[in-house]
Amino acid sequence: ELKVEQNPLFLSMQEGKNYTIYCNYSTTSDRLYWYRQDPGKSLESLFVLLSNGAVKQEGRLMASLDTKARLSTLHITAAVHDLSATYFCAVDHDGPGAGSYQLTFGKGTKLSVIP
Amino acid sequence: DARVTQTPRHKVTEMGQEVTMRCQPILGHNTVFWYRQTMMQGLELLAYFRNRAPLDDSGMPKDRFSAEMPDATLATLKIQPSEPRDSAVYFCASAKRGQGMYNEQFFGPGTRLTVL
Repeated sequence: ELKVEQNPLFLSMQEGKNYTIYCNYSTTSDRLYWYRQDPGKSLESLFVLLSNGAVKQEGRLMASLDTKARLSTLHITAAVHDLSATYFCAVDHDGPGAGSYQLTFGKGTKLSVIP
Repeated sequence: DARVTQTPRHKVTEMGQEVTMRCQPILGHNTVFWYRQTMMQGLELLAYFRNRAPLDDSGMPKDRFSAEMPDATLATLKIQPSEPRDSAVYFCASAKRGQGMYNEQFFGPGTRLTVL
């Protein structure tokens, strides 16, 4: 069974600080996604990482993928309150049916940025 | 602005009643997923379809849940009879998947179901 583990699950940080969220997974995959979810809202796609060494940046967020280590990171630079949300990583892998692919999500990291 | 739509957005019902949730995927997307989100279990994949054909429904309680895709613009998830433990947010997501394409999924707003 594929396992996707995020840590930390809860993160409280001050504005202006840097931090990294980690996503470890247990299967071979070179496709990983990061999503953001605001309270009571849906999931919004943030980053699509499609190969080993892929790095994507958007504003204060940067995501990377190391397929050999089966690890993705989401780095937050100089956090601001607007980044408060829950962040999910999701691993793209083969499903049980022929030609099927599916995402398995981590449990999410709830980020609170304190002024 | 292409997006996944879901109806209803909120549903409160009594135990034993039938619940039907509907999803309209993004036009041109050929893969539709149903997820359930709870605090305890997180996001669980219930079922998914490609080109309207069911690919996997192993995450779904078979005795009370059913998922169908009667046409390319409509997916349904039905619970009959509903139970309090079915209370959750149900998300539909769609993706455009083909040879060599990746699986970025776009989520609908969700249906918040409460079973009393």
